[in-house]
Amino acid sequence: EPEVTQTPSHQVTQMGQEVILRCVPISNHLYFYWYRQILGQKVEFLVSFYNNEISEKSEIFDDQFSVERPDGSNFTLKIRSTKLEDSAMYFCASSDPSRIQETQYFGPGTRLLVL
Amino acid sequence: DQQVKQNSPSLSVQEGRISILNCDYTNSMFDYFLWYKKYPAEGPTFLISISSIKDKNEDGRFTVFLNKSAKHLSLHIVPSQPGDSAVYFCAAYAGGTSYGKLTFGQGTILTVHP
Repeated sequence: EPEVTQTPSHQVTQMGQEVILRCVPISNHLYFYWYRQILGQKVEFLVSFYNNEISEKSEIFDDQFSVERPDGSNFTLKIRSTKLEDSAMYFCASSDPSRIQETQYFGPGTRLLVL
Repeated sequence: DQQVKQNSPSLSVQEGRISILNCDYTNSMFDYFLWYKKYPAEGPTFLISISSIKDKNEDGRFTVFLNKSAKHLSLHIVPSQPGDSAVYFCAAYAGGTSYGKLTFGQGTILTVHP
């Protein structure tokens, strides 16, 4: 069964450093998403991406965040200058909008720790 | 943001019995609802969904019921199995006003005892 994959599984970084989280969505999917879950809190939407541009973003997704689909398979989330409060589990998801039910399928996540 | 609420942080049931997980929402623009299951250190795994044009959807042991007038949905698992022990998230989506943003509840920890 096709699945969303994410690398790395864990990332430790110093405050102020840039990080890039990588995702390989399901191959025939066209919509891509990033969510995050701070420890003990809800899963929160960050951004959706379609046709090489952002479709929607949350208030969390400020100028420090960017997304890119650099090739036909990868989807990345970059945090330019990490803050302590960026420590969270980051989930990538993808969906196939040709289906009536636009279910999003999630990857296993990247645990980001900012020190 | 309390648009989707799961008021029970945890639920404990005996193997073979029914598990009922509840979810309430406030945004009347939500028209598609999903249930996800999550194990520690893993991503949410899709279980079952329901469109607002339906009031019930069934898939094997899992049934989701939607009561639009009460803005309430529930997930029934029958019979419950120890492997069902996980965190269950309800999520909602407003197809007409946003594309892709899922709003999640806080989750309910389900423990199924052998």
